Amino acid sequence: GAGVSQSPSNKVTEKGKDVELRCDPISGHTALYWYRQSLGQGLEFLIYFQGNSAPDKSGLPSDRFSAERTGGSVSTLTIQRTQQEDSAVYLCASSLGSLAYNEQFFGPGTRLTVL
Amino acid sequence: KNEVEQSPQNLTAQEGEFITINCSYSVGISALHWLQQHPGGGIVSLFMLSSGKKKHGRLIATINIQEKHSSLHITASHPRDSAVYICASHAGDTGTASKLTFGTGTRLQVTL
Repeated sequence: GAGVSQSPSNKVTEKGKDVELRCDPISGHTALYWYRQSLGQGLEFLIYFQGNSAPDKSGLPSDRFSAERTGGSVSTLTIQRTQQEDSAVYLCASSLGSLAYNEQFFGPGTRLTVL
Repeated sequence: KNEVEQSPQNLTAQEGEFITINCSYSVGISALHWLQQHPGGGIVSLFMLSSGKKKHGRLIATINIQEKHSSLHITASHPRDSAVYICASHAGDTGTASKLTFGTGTRLQVTL
């Protein structure tokens, strides 16, 4: 079946503009995660959604970042007033549940470049 | 705060060599994941471990809960194994939801 998909694959934007990144999880997966991978750095947790529970936003770096998940499926990560330090690959993952033993399936990522 | 450290950061091996990548974490965890990131950027989950040892093909992962340490071994390495290997720990009880904390990755290059 189809894996996790993300769009766009690449996004170049100017400093100060808003961007929206989209994630389509695997059908039936109730947990959805957003991560960020900056150049030369490791993966960094941003936010996760589990079913109808309130999302865990503890990894969001600033209030310019927000995410929503509509209908328990597609998720959108929004970055307002982008800064150059926001440049990174943004990865989405989904899993059947959010417990320790649930394998996470990663999307191909969106490479964001802020000029 | 849970911290995850990997070693080595970079590793070059010749085809056929046995490879070991190490991962240490600072707090008690319920599970540890090993991920593989290919040069194109795609990430694949290799293993999820909560105890003992798992094997898949030429890959073996072990974990020692008491020592807070895990290793990933690759037997008979091949150039197609060249990738970044990432360990990630899942803190808390297995029955609770918790985010992953990632190591910085080990970049492996296997040459002919």
